[in-house]
Amino acid sequence: DAGVIQSPRHEVTEMGQEVTLRCKPISGHDYLFWYRQTMMRGLELLIYFNNNVPIDDSGMPEDRFSAKMPNASFSTLKIQPSEPRDSAVYFCASSQSIGANEQFFGPGTRLTVL
Amino acid sequence: KQEVTQIPAALSVPEGENLVLNCSFTDSAIYNLQWFRQDPGKGLTSLLLIQSSQREQTSGRLNASLDKSSGRSTLYIAASQPGDSATYLCAVRPTNFGNEKLTFGTGTRLTIIP
Repeated sequence: DAGVIQSPRHEVTEMGQEVTLRCKPISGHDYLFWYRQTMMRGLELLIYFNNNVPIDDSGMPEDRFSAKMPNASFSTLKIQPSEPRDSAVYFCASSQSIGANEQFFGPGTRLTVL
Repeated sequence: KQEVTQIPAALSVPEGENLVLNCSFTDSAIYNLQWFRQDPGKGLTSLLLIQSSQREQTSGRLNASLDKSSGRSTLYIAASQPGDSATYLCAVRPTNFGNEKLTFGTGTRLTIIP
């Protein structure tokens, strides 16, 4: 398996622009997670899905952030409008409910908002 | 609210030495604990996962232990190598059914000196 795939790997944009981050989970995994990592706050869970349904979005910072999972193999995290304080590394992870629920992470998207 | 602490924040040891990384958590009601490594600019790689009913897990030169009652886990690395240099994070998952939220520690940045 190719593991969790994220795109783009790097994104530089200007304040006010819309940003869309993409994730393909490991095939057969029924949980998908979006995390944000910054030096100040470490790793934070933003939202997670189970069988394409959002279960907990309490970590989403504000209405500018939205996430969707239209099918089992694809998810997006959208920021509109983007702000400089959104600059961070965004990780996607997936796991399966059967077994140990071990989470596997993608390589991340480094977002810079100017 | 669960809090996870990793001390020290940074550690440097000569190559070949054995070392121990520490992880403490405030709420002992956990389902499992996972250790990850993160290389600079990269995603997280899962190293070991310990279920709450287990005391330890081993993989190669790595051994993770769990003392749930005292809220502690350790990651033991034997015969350290320069390739072990990375940031090591621990994360705990709560016991309540269907709650997949991991709480991460802030990590220990490990440097192995050749």
